[in-house]
Amino acid sequence: GAVVSQHPSRVICKSGTSVKIECRSLDFQATTMFWYRQFPKQSLMLMATSNEGSKATYEQGVEKDKFLINHASLTLSTLTVTSAHPEDSSFYICSAIRTETQYFGPGTRLLVL
Amino acid sequence: GNSVTQMEGPVTLSEEAFLTINCTYTATGYPSLFWYVQYPGEGLQLLLKATKADDKGSNKGFEATYRKETTSFHLEKGSVQVSDSAVYFCALSDRDGNKLVFGAGTILRVKS
Repeated sequence: GAVVSQHPSRVICKSGTSVKIECRSLDFQATTMFWYRQFPKQSLMLMATSNEGSKATYEQGVEKDKFLINHASLTLSTLTVTSAHPEDSSFYICSAIRTETQYFGPGTRLLVL
Repeated sequence: GNSVTQMEGPVTLSEEAFLTINCTYTATGYPSLFWYVQYPGEGLQLLLKATKADDKGSNKGFEATYRKETTSFHLEKGSVQVSDSAVYFCALSDRDGNKLVFGAGTILRVKS
């Protein structure tokens, strides 16, 4: 089956620092990956669409300068939360498309102190 | 715009009970429909999908049928187990962008 990994699985950082989260498709190439944010006991909110070799497309209300996305290869997309603040604490999930189906990574829990 | 509505939870059942989680959608065109499951502390896993009207998706004893006339994709299982306790998300995607629109999720708790 299609496998998507994320690293790290958990990260704790101080307010004002930047955090990079990696999303990898392990056994397939993905020209498109997605980044979601999930708040406790809530559904997933699409943040942006990551396209290999081009700029990411952000959803309305998502600050592109705050959440930097880089999709440098067909198997790797990164999300960098810049100058993180406590309100950025959340569960970040990526997904990659294979044969019209999205396969999700296990998620990264970010806690900003 | 596209939207997905799921029955509110939590749904609490005894082991071996019959499960139904309702899902209805609003969409233009002919979306694909999905059920994803999220076990405690884990990411979302695709449970089943259907890509056109009257298709039935099935996996691990779960089933859902794409009903265009009622715009529904209800999830069913004949006999639930404690290990089925999780959050279930109904979702749709438009064919152009493959963007997923999720329902709010339904918590299922199965007691032994």
